[in-house]
Amino acid sequence: DTEVTQTPKHLVMGMTNKKSLKCEQHMGHRAMYWYKQKAKKPPELMFVYSYEKLSINESVPSRFSPECPNSSLLNLHLHALQPEDSALYLCASSLRTSGSSYNEQFFGPGTRLTVL
Amino acid sequence: AQTVTQSQPEMSVQEAETVTLSCTYDTSESDYYLFWYKQPPSRQMILVIRQEAYKQQNATENRFSVNFQKAAKSFSLKISDSQLGDAAMYFCAYIYAGNNRKLIWGLGTSLAVNP
Repeated sequence: DTEVTQTPKHLVMGMTNKKSLKCEQHMGHRAMYWYKQKAKKPPELMFVYSYEKLSINESVPSRFSPECPNSSLLNLHLHALQPEDSALYLCASSLRTSGSSYNEQFFGPGTRLTVL
Repeated sequence: AQTVTQSQPEMSVQEAETVTLSCTYDTSESDYYLFWYKQPPSRQMILVIRQEAYKQQNATENRFSVNFQKAAKSFSLKISDSQLGDAAMYFCAYIYAGNNRKLIWGLGTSLAVNP
């Protein structure tokens, strides 16, 4: 299984809602990533988890709250979002983040989020 | 600062023809990796090809090949025998081996394939 899955595929939410995005992989990867991507732009890194611990937070607003309950699962909890947060949210995983050789990041299909 | 530049926001190619996408990068590191990612309109980001900086031989993957010029800090992607399914955004990306977490991305090239 060389797949990263993300649910839901589409999400529409109001600015007062609370919702969560889910990402799952069963490749035995110990590093997982959240990216935000605007149309026709490259992905922007938000968070990196390594061995279930948060290792990078790219100064993301607190209305985005990541969670890594286990090595296969990554969540992104959303609360009080703004319309400018509308974007494609991509999850990725890699074998690990350490070591002298690069570990390829495998991307999921993304969740298209619209904030009204 | 480590940067990646793609100077062609949009390109087009006729089906079955060859096209080359340009990428230049700036780094003072010697141990790094370069990548080309493809993102079709269906949005799944897929790794097309990777190049380790210490390897002199250019990477190839079927119809995709790179021209890696380390001294010039250039990393272009050649797509041979272009197919309709090659239409996508192509992103060039870099990662420093000592920071094995954060990819540095170019702004992308949107490739159209004309039948």
